[in-house]
Amino acid sequence: GALVYQYPRRTICKSGTSMRMECQAVGFQATSVAWYRQSPQKTFELIALSTVNSAIKYEQNFTQEKFPISHPNLSFSSMTVLNAYLEDRGLYLCGARTGYEQYFGPGTRLTVL
Amino acid sequence: GEKVEQHESTLSVREGDSAVINCTYTDTASSYFPWYKQEAGKSLHFVIDIRSNVDRKQSQRLIVLLDKKAKRFSLHITATQPEDSAIYFCAASTGYQNFYFGKGTSLTVIP
Repeated sequence: GALVYQYPRRTICKSGTSMRMECQAVGFQATSVAWYRQSPQKTFELIALSTVNSAIKYEQNFTQEKFPISHPNLSFSSMTVLNAYLEDRGLYLCGARTGYEQYFGPGTRLTVL
Repeated sequence: GEKVEQHESTLSVREGDSAVINCTYTDTASSYFPWYKQEAGKSLHFVIDIRSNVDRKQSQRLIVLLDKKAKRFSLHITATQPEDSAIYFCAASTGYQNFYFGKGTSLTVIP
């Protein structure tokens, strides 16, 4: 079946430091990969979308300078939160899409001290 | 871009009653409308979806209705059970692009 793995599941970093999270799609050909953030008490905001043969597209309020994404192939994606501060805490979800369906990973929960 | 409004932020129903969660969207190009459930401290779990070529879909106790004219879709959970308690998110997509999520509805089913 189609599965999306994310690593790590939880992480804690000190304010001003950076942390990297990974996403892997298994069992299907992902045509796009999207990263979302759910801040405390909020909904899921799209950070960036990466599609086959296209550059990574960042949503308003999110930049490549702050959330650089590495995408060597559509089965694997990693995103770094650079210079993390309190407002960056939350659940980071990776969604890998094939056709209409989007499969979500379990998320990486980031705590910033 | 697309804006998805989820009208009920909280909803309480008695066990066995029906729960209805309503969402509206703005982009007429949206054609795919999934629903997800999030339990405390966990990730998103797919519940049911509907595409724009139909106006109703049912899966066991779940019914999704779509009114393209009004740009409105809704999730109906019939014969609710305590384990249905969770936060439900609606989303809209133009088919092959990213999803836009509503703000979530916290559903409590009272035994």
